[in-house]
Amino acid sequence: NAGVTQTPKFQVLKTGQSMTLQCAQDMNHNSMYWYRQDPGMGLRLIYYSASEGTTDKGEVPNGYNVSRLNKREFSLRLESAAPSQTSVYFCASSEAVAGGSYNEQFFGPGTRLTVL
Amino acid sequence: TQLLEQSPQFLSIQEGENLTVYCNSSSVFSSLQWYRQEPGEGPVLLVTVVTGGEVKKLKRLTFQFGDARKDSSLHITAAQPGDTGLYLCAGRHTGGFKTIFGAGTRLFVKA
Repeated sequence: NAGVTQTPKFQVLKTGQSMTLQCAQDMNHNSMYWYRQDPGMGLRLIYYSASEGTTDKGEVPNGYNVSRLNKREFSLRLESAAPSQTSVYFCASSEAVAGGSYNEQFFGPGTRLTVL
Repeated sequence: TQLLEQSPQFLSIQEGENLTVYCNSSSVFSSLQWYRQEPGEGPVLLVTVVTGGEVKKLKRLTFQFGDARKDSSLHITAAQPGDTGLYLCAGRHTGGFKTIFGAGTRLFVKA
């Protein structure tokens, strides 16, 4: 089992460029998430998908869009990158059920993005 | 936004020492988790606690959920260099779906 995979691992963009971060999981999880991690701020939720066919905004959605392509894949798109989007991006998946008692998430290795 | 505050933010200790890190909030959580993250990797789940007052042990690591389910602690006995990493607490509110993460405690254990 590969778990959660992310591509690319590193990326440098110029301000205004666009790109898509790819994420796939092979654990048959219903829920998938995109986070960004910045020094001193922990993990902040950008978007999540509770199940195939649904997506919802998290804490910091501005400047991003997502697509839940199928049960396995959840992509994050930056339409016009800005220096403030320089961060490490993590994709995660879980078997979470809304209203369930807990939510164990499995994370990918991250994408380190720099916007110049 | 109901925050999870972790303390200390940074801890550097010698191998063999004991330590405790804390995770506090003003709100009640239905469950609380601890993750460890190593440089260049994603966080990995260590434990989930769901009952107020619950204590769980994982080898030299002891996790406790506060009686009121607003706080948690992680105690490491006889720390080893392999314990070095970023320790994140994460909580979920009753009926909620999203997980809230603290900013983390960065631990460095010197040999």
